[in-house]
Amino acid sequence: GENVEQHPSTLSVQEGDSAVIKCTYSDSASNYFPWYKQELGKRPQLIIDIRSNVGEKKDQRIAVTLNKTAKHFSLHITETQPEDSAVYFCAASQEGLIYNQGGKLIFGQGTELSVKP
Amino acid sequence: DGGITQSPKYLFRKEGQNVTLSCEQNLNHDAMYWYRQDPGQGLRLIYYSQIVNDFQKGDIAEGYSVSREKKESFPLTVTSAQKNPTAFYLCASRRKQGLDQPQHFGDGTRLSIL
Repeated sequence: GENVEQHPSTLSVQEGDSAVIKCTYSDSASNYFPWYKQELGKRPQLIIDIRSNVGEKKDQRIAVTLNKTAKHFSLHITETQPEDSAVYFCAASQEGLIYNQGGKLIFGQGTELSVKP
Repeated sequence: DGGITQSPKYLFRKEGQNVTLSCEQNLNHDAMYWYRQDPGQGLRLIYYSQIVNDFQKGDIAEGYSVSREKKESFPLTVTSAQKNPTAFYLCASRRKQGLDQPQHFGDGTRLSIL
């Protein structure tokens, strides 16, 4: 089955610097890659996602890149702020229109990002 | 996401006891999911259901059971067979599979052993 590896497990940056979190996946059939942000004791919230027909997607200070050949994707946060401090999870799934195919998200182990003022 | 309600927020289980975690959604979502979250291990899928009266095992289904009698409800029972139930349990839902249908999570239930 699918396996998702996420690195680093912890990341500390100064406010204003960039942060990059990387994930690799094993199943070449995976075609949907969301990123979630989870603040302490709260629910994971979707911050950005990308599909396999796109190489890059950007939303203000957040961007995600996908390399299908190498089977890895990355989250880039620019101009980090203290409120970006949280645990970030990548995930992968196989989306499809056929019943019993797709919908199962396999998550990475998470990256605890700390942004120091 | 106010449309997914998990209860209770905190739950304590005694030895040999079964406990049931509630998950209700009013988003008219077709699919629902249960995840277990342990420190440093991310989220692991326990069970999921794509339509009413049907569900599939995830990666760590042993010691758990579910039912999906109504579209809006997907309760999870942690049985006495689950020897290490202490964890944060998250329920999620999404629309019928297709493009641009992300999973949305509830606020979670924290289960501890007494």
